[in-house]
Amino acid sequence: DAGVIQSPRHEVTEMGQEVTLRCKPISGHDYLFWYRQTMMRGLELLIYFNNNVPIDDSGMPEDRFSAKMPNASFSTLKIQPSEPRDSAVYFCASTPGTSGSDTQYFGPGTRLTVL
Amino acid sequence: SQQGEEDPQALSIQEGENATMNCSYKTSINNLQWYRQNSGRGLVHLILIRSNEREKHSGRLRVTLDTSKKSSSLLITASRAADTASYFCATPREYGQNFVFGPGTRLSVLP
Repeated sequence: DAGVIQSPRHEVTEMGQEVTLRCKPISGHDYLFWYRQTMMRGLELLIYFNNNVPIDDSGMPEDRFSAKMPNASFSTLKIQPSEPRDSAVYFCASTPGTSGSDTQYFGPGTRLTVL
Repeated sequence: SQQGEEDPQALSIQEGENATMNCSYKTSINNLQWYRQNSGRGLVHLILIRSNEREKHSGRLRVTLDTSKKSSSLLITASRAADTASYFCATPREYGQNFVFGPGTRLSVLP
């Protein structure tokens, strides 16, 4: 298996633009997580899905952020409009089994820079 | 809220030495995990220890868990330059099926 796939790997955009990050989890994994990592705040959970259904989005910073999982093999995280403080590395992770607290498999991340 | 807090924040050692990192958390857990992150990469799972286990080994890694003290330690023996990375402990949230990651320990292994 190729592991968790994220695209793009790097994104540079200007303030006010829409940004869409993509994730393909490992086949057969029932849970998908979106994280944001910054030097100041560390690794923060934004939202997670179980069987394509959003379970907890309390970590989403504000309404500018939205996430979808239309099917078991694809998820998106959208920021509209983007702001410089959104600059961070965004990770997607998936986990198998019946518990979301099992081992998580992380993608390589998307480094977002908002100018 | 539950949170793993790693200690020290940064650690610098010579190749061949042992590295020990600690993690403290606040509430009861059923497992604790350690992850490694190389610069510019995603996190990689190292080891999971369950609440009924006191010690676990994986290659040069040794993890201990003391539920009475709400703490865990990660020992890397005979360190190598390739072990240079950040190490995170992760504890499940009390409610919900997800984790809280600590701020991490940055380990530098000097050749």
